[in-house]
Amino acid sequence: DTEVTQTPKHLVMGMTNKKSLKCEQHMGHRAMYWYKQKAKKPPELMFVYSYEKLSINESVPSRFSPECPNSSLLNLHLHALQPEDSALYLCASSQSEGMNTEAFFGQGTRLTVV
Amino acid sequence: SQKIEQNSEALNIQEGKTATLTCNYTNYSPAYLQWYRQDPGRGPVFLLLIRENEKEKRKERLKVTFDTTLKQSLFHITASQPADSATYLCALPQSGGSYIPTFGRGTSLIVHP
Repeated sequence: DTEVTQTPKHLVMGMTNKKSLKCEQHMGHRAMYWYKQKAKKPPELMFVYSYEKLSINESVPSRFSPECPNSSLLNLHLHALQPEDSALYLCASSQSEGMNTEAFFGQGTRLTVV
Repeated sequence: SQKIEQNSEALNIQEGKTATLTCNYTNYSPAYLQWYRQDPGRGPVFLLLIRENEKEKRKERLKVTFDTTLKQSLFHITASQPADSATYLCALPQSGGSYIPTFGRGTSLIVHP
């Protein structure tokens, strides 16, 4: 299994809602990532988990809260988002932190904040 | 910090020709450089990784070169097909000891039948 699975594929939420994005991989990778991608822009790193511990937070606002319950799962909890947070949210994994080996991305969650 | 430059204009080529995409960087030479393919609305797909001590890497119809003197990587697709039409992103680690890659803006490739 060489897949990173993200759910849901699409999400529409109001500014007062709380929702979660989920990411799962069963490749035994020990590093997992969250990226945000706006239209016509490159993916931008948000968070890195290494061995289930948060190792990098790229100064992301606290309305985004990551969680890594175990080595296969990565969640992104969303609360009080703004319309400008609408984007494609991508999860990725690699054997170890740094992506100096093959990295795998999920298909993303298209988030719309209304 | 490292600046990554990819041609923002789309590259249009005829089927069967070789497509060549460019990735330039401005500062220090990275330990490695990656190339990804991304289709609209989907996550990037890893294609090739080349390390600083490698001049060239091949995988089927794909070839990547890495010139640390020119601070440039070239990505070639030989015998291009319409199915190769996509955006191609290069990624390399930023400075400051981080090995997490940062992505370039990508170049859109359109292969005409």
